[in-house]
Amino acid sequence: DSGVTQTPKHLITATGQRVTLRCSPRSGDLSVYWYQQSLDQGLQFLIQYYNGEERAKGNILERFSAQQFPDLHSELNLSSLELGDSALYFCASSPSGGQVHEQYFGPGTRLTVT
Amino acid sequence: AQSVAQPEDQVNVAEGNPLTVKCTYSVSGNPYLFWYVQYPNRGLQFLLKYITGDNLVKGSYGFEAEFNKSQTSFHLKKPSALVSDSALYFCAVRDKVATAGNQFYFGTGTSLTVIP
Repeated sequence: DSGVTQTPKHLITATGQRVTLRCSPRSGDLSVYWYQQSLDQGLQFLIQYYNGEERAKGNILERFSAQQFPDLHSELNLSSLELGDSALYFCASSPSGGQVHEQYFGPGTRLTVT
Repeated sequence: AQSVAQPEDQVNVAEGNPLTVKCTYSVSGNPYLFWYVQYPNRGLQFLLKYITGDNLVKGSYGFEAEFNKSQTSFHLKKPSALVSDSALYFCAVRDKVATAGNQFYFGTGTSLTVIP
């Protein structure tokens, strides 16, 4: 158990809908990362937050947005869903500080768009 | 642009034999390199990392990796494979010039099957 929690575990929704994925980082970790894993695209970095502020942006679509709250949990919002958005969405967290830290991944949310 | 390549989608090895999962990288400057493992229906788990120093890095579950700057490689190795090592392995890189946050670049993954 990495200490990173994600809810829900599974989500089935229809095209055009909007969903929110939630992530709670490990205790004390200030950085949160979101990734999308699909069979054809591999593991794609979406966005990073550090202590409430956006720090890095990857291949995140304009239909997707995220935020990190004062209690450090993060939410990834996916709107106007398309069939191609079906994927595993992972959250990861890492500590702050001067060292180079690895990331700790949550169990993921499997999104199915029908 | 930063990138990671895992040239083999699938690696098969007999139990007890040594295993190697290959990774090459491309970054501007010196890299930070990582290996992760993913078991079915689970998140990625950290195995080991190279930051600086000794080119041979030892990690979890008996895995090790060798950083080779001239070949821009960071191959994952284990002297004796176990059936339980069967999983998906990801190499990742983060460059040292983290001016835009700590973005990690992951390879496409290598599926390792250890045959009993």
